[in-house]
Amino acid sequence: SSELTQDPPVSVALGQTVRITCQGDSLRNFYATWYQHKPGQAPKLVMYDRNDRPSGIPDRFSGSTSRSTASLTITGAQAEDEGDYYCNSRDRSGQRVLFGGGTKVTV
Amino acid sequence: QVQLMESGGGVVQPGKSLRLSCAASGFAFSSYAFHWVRQAPGKGLEWVAVVSYDGTNDFYADSVKGRFTISRDNSENTVYLQMNSLRPEDTAVYYCARPYCVRDCYSHTYDIWGQGTLVTVSA
Repeated sequence: SSELTQDPPVSVALGQTVRITCQGDSLRNFYATWYQHKPGQAPKLVMYDRNDRPSGIPDRFSGSTSRSTASLTITGAQAEDEGDYYCNSRDRSGQRVLFGGGTKVTV
Repeated sequence: QVQLMESGGGVVQPGKSLRLSCAASGFAFSSYAFHWVRQAPGKGLEWVAVVSYDGTNDFYADSVKGRFTISRDNSENTVYLQMNSLRPEDTAVYYCARPYCVRDCYSHTYDIWGQGTLVTVSA
């Protein structure tokens, strides 16, 4: 299918670990990328390719992929990690981009 | 300073047209493809369109194909989104986004985003 499915909203206690997932057939061929989005701000890249973090993203963020499921884990969540998290990838043709529906993370 | 700045949003009636602009600065504009991504009120992010680094290729989401056209002017460091036959469901904040790799690298990983411009389609 040409869809990416993300988890419902999650809540995590300060300092605890949360893992959110993104499922879709396209993830068998293309890596998922993860973005953090807060109200009134531009989305921010937090994870890409297999498990690469852009400069400035703390190492409490990590990523993984298994078959058709990509995961983003925040180990030791902080208050500033609260926000909506979106995954994206590409469709079967590789020409169009797909976004998941987003997961709201509350710390 | 590397940045993208969108403009051109506003209130428009259904069936009318609007052109958005995305002005880039601080990097080699002509080396990158550019994408438009939108977010309707209360909804998630939705990919809209992409234009290649040299402007020779473009692709669109099914929801806008045939109505929207993405283009670029490498001499002005600007990307455009011409939106025709607008519908109420096109109401959204429209973001311009730059992939992290250059030229023939076609990527869905965006390392630079603009702040967005709001388009409201309403009678």
